[in-house]
Amino acid sequence: IQLTQSPSLLSASVGDRVTLSCKGSQNINNYLAWYQQKLGEAPKLLIYNTNSLQTGIPSRFSGSGSGTDYTLTISSLQPEDVATYFCYQYNNGWTFGGGTKLELK
Amino acid sequence: QVQLKESGPGLVQPSETLSLTCTVSGFSLTSYSVSWVRQPSGKGPEWMGRMWYDGDTAYNSALKSRLSISRDTSKNQVFLKMNSLQTDDTGTYYCSRDPLYSAYFDYWGQGVMVTVSS
Repeated sequence: IQLTQSPSLLSASVGDRVTLSCKGSQNINNYLAWYQQKLGEAPKLLIYNTNSLQTGIPSRFSGSGSGTDYTLTISSLQPEDVATYFCYQYNNGWTFGGGTKLELK
Repeated sequence: QVQLKESGPGLVQPSETLSLTCTVSGFSLTSYSVSWVRQPSGKGPEWMGRMWYDGDTAYNSALKSRLSISRDTSKNQVFLKMNSLQTDDTGTYYCSRDPLYSAYFDYWGQGVMVTVSS
C-alpha cells in the first residue's frame, strides 16, 4: 500500500486548527498511525489505530478517517508542534507516507 | 523503562556489508517484536524488516535479497546485516518496538547515522 500525504508543506499560525491528510492506494482498514518527528530526533508516536491517542500526547491532537482517507488534526497549533508528520499503515505490509512539514507562519 | 539503542559503524564502503546492533532494555524480545527502520536525510522513513517476538522474521521485499535480521535473546540484542551497500543506503537507521498484538512502533532508538562512501 502506498501512502500519499498532503500538503507536503503547511504554514500556519499559533492557535490555528490544522488538518493533515494521508491517502492510501488501497483500503487501510483503520490500521493507521501518525508520527511527529522534530529535527534531529526519532519519530514519536501520536496516534494509532486511526484515532487512539498515545499516552502522554496532548489532547489537541486527534485522528480520524476510514477506508483510504485519513486525517490528523491539531485543534490549536502550538509553537512546539513545528515538526514533520508522517502517517504509517500496518494493514497490508508496512509503509510510511512521505511526510508533511508543518511550520509557523 | 523501555529503551532501545543502535550501535554500529558510521561509515561503510560501497559494496561492503553493514552490521548494526540494537540493544534493548525494559522489555523482553520474546514478548515484543522489534523492527529496523531507515530514513534518508530529508525523506520519509522506510520499514526494513522485523524480528517477531517468536523468532520469525519479515522483510521489505525491496531489501529482502540483501537483508538479514537476527537476535540474541540472552543479550537483549537484535542484529541487522545488509550487504552490497550503495550510496543511496546512506541515512539514519533506527530500531523500534512494536506494542503487544500490533505492528506500529511505540518506542524508538535514537538512531545511528550511516554514510556509504569511499
